[in-house]
Amino acid sequence: SQKIEQNSEALNIQEGKTATLTCNYTNYSPAYLQWYRQDPGRGPVFLLLIRENEKEKRKERLKVTFDTTLKQSLFHITASQPADSATYLCALGGYGQNFVFGPGTRLSVLP
Amino acid sequence: DAGVIQSPRHEVTEMGQEVTLRCKPISGHDYLFWYRQTMMRGLELLIYFNNNVPIDDSGMPEDRFSAKMPNASFSTLKIQPSEPRDSAVYFCASSLDVGETQYFGPGTRLLVL
Repeated sequence: SQKIEQNSEALNIQEGKTATLTCNYTNYSPAYLQWYRQDPGRGPVFLLLIRENEKEKRKERLKVTFDTTLKQSLFHITASQPADSATYLCALGGYGQNFVFGPGTRLSVLP
Repeated sequence: DAGVIQSPRHEVTEMGQEVTLRCKPISGHDYLFWYRQTMMRGLELLIYFNNNVPIDDSGMPEDRFSAKMPNASFSTLKIQPSEPRDSAVYFCASSLDVGETQYFGPGTRLLVL
């Protein structure tokens, strides 16, 4: 069955450092991968989308990589700030396949 | 646009009662998704519609759950009869296309006693 794992349930880092979150998947051939941010009591908010033929995408302090050989995506937040503290979800989609979300990683950026 | 609108925001009901959750997608979005989120199972896709037609309902847990989209601006998710294990946050989301950004509503927090 399809499985998505995100590196850890929680990640604590110091302000100013780079946060790196991992999304690994099995039994899936995604055409694209998305990253969302979710704050407590709110719905997920889209951050970035990367397609299977793309290696890397950037948006301001965010960077996503996608390695279909390793079946892994890395999500980086550079110069992290306390306001970046939230749960980050990866999601996979593909033609003829269900759209599925990972369990999420709760990031805490400590001042 | 006001974004995806969901109602009610909170619902407390007793086991056996019927629950109806409502969603108004963003105007012009052809896809509408219903999700359920719990601590144990995370965010699960229940069903999604394209142009008001249900495309994939394989995530609907059982026959007690049903969803409809009578027109492009309104969808309902109904649970009848409700059970305590249905307690969760239910999200509605909409998008222009299945591979594009999904815009989520604020969710309905359901508690079945």
